[in-house]
Amino acid sequence: AQSVSQHNHHVILSEAASLELGCNYSYGGTVNLFWYVQYPGQHLQLLLKYFSGDPLVKGIKGFEAEFIKSKFSFNLRKPSVQWSDTAEYFCAVTPGFQKLVFGTGTRLLVSP
Amino acid sequence: EAGVAQSPRYKIIEKRQSVAFWCNPISGHATLYWYQQILGQGPKLLIQFQNNGVVDDSQLPKDRFSAERLKGVDSTLKIQPAKLEDSAVYLCASSLVDRDGYTFGSGTRLTVV
Repeated sequence: AQSVSQHNHHVILSEAASLELGCNYSYGGTVNLFWYVQYPGQHLQLLLKYFSGDPLVKGIKGFEAEFIKSKFSFNLRKPSVQWSDTAEYFCAVTPGFQKLVFGTGTRLLVSP
Repeated sequence: EAGVAQSPRYKIIEKRQSVAFWCNPISGHATLYWYQQILGQGPKLLIQFQNNGVVDDSQLPKDRFSAERLKGVDSTLKIQPAKLEDSAVYLCASSLVDRDGYTFGSGTRLTVV
């Protein structure tokens, strides 16, 4: 079945550690790719998005993501995390400009 | 710009009762979505409106869930009767153009006891 997979369900890091969250999708053809973040008690917010062009996308708060078409992946990275990055991160895909399909999410806990 | 407004923020009901959620999208956003987010899972689309017409309701349990978007602005999602497994956060989102991504509201956390 077509889907969006986030392999890390829980990640625990210390402040200043580097972060990489994996995201793979199984849709063929044209896709738009997104990362959303949900801070505790808050609504989903868009971190970054990819439509076309440079496969390395920069988003807010120092996050970036790299689209690797051959691997059907769109991994999220941050060189140095902060305690305030503690949140749940969702990868999402709009296959063929259709509805937004989410992965199951990754809970990130950053310890001070 | 004002965000997507949802109410109520929290709701606790007993099984077999009915409940309704309200959403006011960002002004000018033609497309409105209702998502269900069960604890530990990613949001799942229930229904998509384009103006006041339904575009996709394939994942909506139509025996108990209904939604409407009168006049192409506000929307209401109703559950009648509720089941225990309906406990979730119900998210409303809107978009101007799909490729821009969606703007989400804060959601309504429903607990069915």
